[in-house]
Amino acid sequence: DVKVTQSSRYLVKRTGEKVFLECVQDMDHENMFWYRQDPGLGLRLIYFSYDVKMKEKGDIPEGYSVSREKKERFSLILESASTNQTSMYLCASSTPSGGTSYEQYFGPGTRLTVT
Amino acid sequence: LAKTTQPISMDSYEGQEVNITCSHNNIATNDYITWYQQFPSQGPRFIIQGYKTKVTNEVASLFIPADRKSSTLSLPRVSLSDTAVYYCLVGDSGAGSYQLTFGKGTKLSVIP
Repeated sequence: DVKVTQSSRYLVKRTGEKVFLECVQDMDHENMFWYRQDPGLGLRLIYFSYDVKMKEKGDIPEGYSVSREKKERFSLILESASTNQTSMYLCASSTPSGGTSYEQYFGPGTRLTVT
Repeated sequence: LAKTTQPISMDSYEGQEVNITCSHNNIATNDYITWYQQFPSQGPRFIIQGYKTKVTNEVASLFIPADRKSSTLSLPRVSLSDTAVYYCLVGDSGAGSYQLTFGKGTKLSVIP
């Protein structure tokens, strides 16, 4: 089974702190994604990466950055956390399959609270 | 990116067939239609994907008319464990891009 793990299930940080969310997948997938999920808004794509050291902005990249130094690991960074970044953060991975398969495998999520 | 519209919520009794329709008027020629299921406190899980006509797997069926401007996810004989949020997505198949846009989803409640 594909496994996507996230470093924490719950995280509480203070406003202004630098926050790192880590995601690791064990299936040698090329693509990795970071989403945030908020009530009434569904899932929104923050950033994605289709190769090591490559990154693309999603729909809501402002206030976030990412790092992908190794194929299996994709990190989401909040440079200076703010209360409006309190959310559930979900990581996912997928294999390109020639661009015709959109099956993504999701991790369990990290519920981040910024106080 | 093609935008999708689906009902916010649906109720169904156990044992009934449930059909959730999604509209995607701006779907592009190369786009695929994908459905995900999400339980509370879990990440979404892939259910089914299709391009045209009908696709069936062990979990669901997906019906796509010829104009591809809508699609219907069909869940046969639902049980309480099918209570979840269901997302319809249309894939952006631009070169080098595998970006998916999740809408707000349909919250399905199965009633005993």
